[in-house]
Amino acid sequence: KQEVTQIPAALSVPEGENLVLNCSFTDSAIYNLQWFRQDPGKGLTSLLLIQSSQREQTSGRLNASLDKSSGRSTLYIAASQPGDSATYLCAVRPGGNTPLVFGKGTRLSVIA
Amino acid sequence: KAGVTQTPRYLIKTRGQQVTLSCSPISGHRSVSWYQQTPGQGLQFLFEYFSETQRNKGNFPGRFSGRQFSNSRSEMNVSTLELGDSALYLCASSLGLNTHQKNYNEQFFGPGTRLTVL
Repeated sequence: KQEVTQIPAALSVPEGENLVLNCSFTDSAIYNLQWFRQDPGKGLTSLLLIQSSQREQTSGRLNASLDKSSGRSTLYIAASQPGDSATYLCAVRPGGNTPLVFGKGTRLSVIA
Repeated sequence: KAGVTQTPRYLIKTRGQQVTLSCSPISGHRSVSWYQQTPGQGLQFLFEYFSETQRNKGNFPGRFSGRQFSNSRSEMNVSTLELGDSALYLCASSLGLNTHQKNYNEQFFGPGTRLTVL
């Protein structure tokens, strides 16, 4: 059974710092992996989707990498801003039409 | 293009009552998935509908049910509400069918319905 872990559960950094959020999964046989952002009490916003054949995806200041063999993905945020404060969730899709399996998220606070 | 919409946004019910939540997917999306989010359990998958058929189902009791209409809109119903059903219920849509579009199963979420059971 696929399990997704995100460590740490919470992270606080000063504005301008580059940071890395971690996601690990137990079964390397995945179809794709999706990173989301969630603001308090709101829905999820899709940030990046990496297919199993890809090693990384980039969008603006965000870069997500995928290493299936080690069961890890990282989300790199460059030059963090207070507006980046949110909970970041990683979700793995085991097969093409199977449900996403979510981690519990990392709550990020960027301090001005 | 309009995003995923969910109604109502907030609901307060009492134990034993039933509730129906609605989700309208992004235009052209045929798959709708439902999730329950609580502080303790995180995001848990309830079920997915594609072309009016339930394609996947999570580990929730039979009190939780859903359906999808021909226009891809979906509803979920919770009967005999319990205090533990208090949660944020999220709906997500995707194209749902692999027509050689690489990200056909990329999910886009609605704002959620906050259900409080007293």
